Amino acid sequence: DQQVKQNSPSLSVQEGRISILNCDYTNSMFDYFLWYKKYPAEGPTFLISISSIKDKNEDGRFTVFLNKSAKHLSLHIVPSQPGDSAVYFCAAKGTWHDMRFGAGTRLTVKP
Amino acid sequence: DAGVTQSPTHLIKTRGQQVTLRCSPKSGHDTVSWYQQALGQGPQFIFQYYEEEERQRGNFPDRFSGHQFPNYSSELNVNALLLGDSALYLCASSSGGTTVNYGYTFGSGTRLTVV
Repeated sequence: DQQVKQNSPSLSVQEGRISILNCDYTNSMFDYFLWYKKYPAEGPTFLISISSIKDKNEDGRFTVFLNKSAKHLSLHIVPSQPGDSAVYFCAAKGTWHDMRFGAGTRLTVKP
Repeated sequence: DAGVTQSPTHLIKTRGQQVTLRCSPKSGHDTVSWYQQALGQGPQFIFQYYEEEERQRGNFPDRFSGHQFPNYSSELNVNALLLGDSALYLCASSSGGTTVNYGYTFGSGTRLTVV
């Protein structure tokens, strides 16, 4: 049961442009959403999060948008840099203890 | 400040064998979660340990078991290994008494290959 879905396995953008990574979820009990970034041979690292009571959270170049009615969230990276090239995972959490992850989107930022 | 430490980094085992993976949480963290990440997929929750007890378990068979020690470190044991158990096993630590504002801290993982 894939409750968190990232339908784009890969995304390629030019340096300086905007990167938009998308995530859909099916479980309406999720109340917290997170994005993780993963480089090869490293564990995922926390990037940004958003509570279900908000629709936007911004941290520097990274902004997460949440559309609860559509059960959709997106991560915007502006401007994109080559160092942003990594796999990005969307994750969601409810009142239980574990997090549910999407399959990830591989972002490539070309110089 | 050391983050989450996992050992070993790589492991090759034969089908039917047993394996033990180890995790030391980030300093100040008391909760350890284990995840399995198969190739091309996102991490899948195995179980979580808090106060030396299994607090929650994902959809994994009983061949997967764990333990948490008084110093908060943890082990993941897998018995009767199958080829399908080949994956990256990630350990994540957090503070059990706080809400998830900043997510878990993950280790670099143990790459298990079953042949």
